[in-house]
Amino acid sequence: AQSVSQHNHHVILSEAASLELGCNYSYGGTVNLFWYVQYPGQHLQLLLKYFSGDPLVKGIKGFEAEFIKSKFSFNLRKPSVQWSDTAEYFCAALSGSARQLTFGSGTQLTVLP
Amino acid sequence: NAGVTQTPKFRILKIGQSMTLQCTQDMNHNYMYWYRQDPGMGLKLIYYSVGAGITDKGEVPNGYNVSRSTTEDFPLRLELAAPSQTSVYFCASSYGAGVYEQYFGPGTRLTVT
Repeated sequence: AQSVSQHNHHVILSEAASLELGCNYSYGGTVNLFWYVQYPGQHLQLLLKYFSGDPLVKGIKGFEAEFIKSKFSFNLRKPSVQWSDTAEYFCAALSGSARQLTFGSGTQLTVLP
Repeated sequence: NAGVTQTPKFRILKIGQSMTLQCTQDMNHNYMYWYRQDPGMGLKLIYYSVGAGITDKGEVPNGYNVSRSTTEDFPLRLELAAPSQTSVYFCASSYGAGVYEQYFGPGTRLTVT
């Protein structure tokens, strides 16, 4: 079965620091990958997604992620975080003909002003 | 356009009670989903539906039931509530499967004591 791993459970950064959140998936075939974000008190919303083509995907609010097939990874990056980026970040994967997203356990990001 | 709405926002149940969590979407999406989110565990799919009258089990369906009589509504029924069902429940919808973005509701925080 498909699994998604997010090894950083809680990350604390100061404003202007660079961010990289890890995400690894287990499926070896065609896979679609997503990053969702949940700001405090708000709905989960899509940050970015990868289906095919350029492995470097750009999303909203300056976030980007790189799909590295050989490493089964889809890490989320931002060069300079802001206090408003404090949120929980979820990586998710959809494999082959599956209809179901598999979510990672999430990473809580706290940005200190 | 309200998106995905859920009621109630919070609920406390006693062991053995039953309740229905309501979910409505106004985007005319075919697909709807119910997830539960436990601390440190990410989102687990309970049930999903690909259209009115069609539902299917997800990863953790035991103790729950669903129905889909209209495109807009996808209620989740808990029979004989148990402490293990204490969680935050999210409803989501999407136009189609796979590559289509899932839109999430605000969640229902349920405590069973």
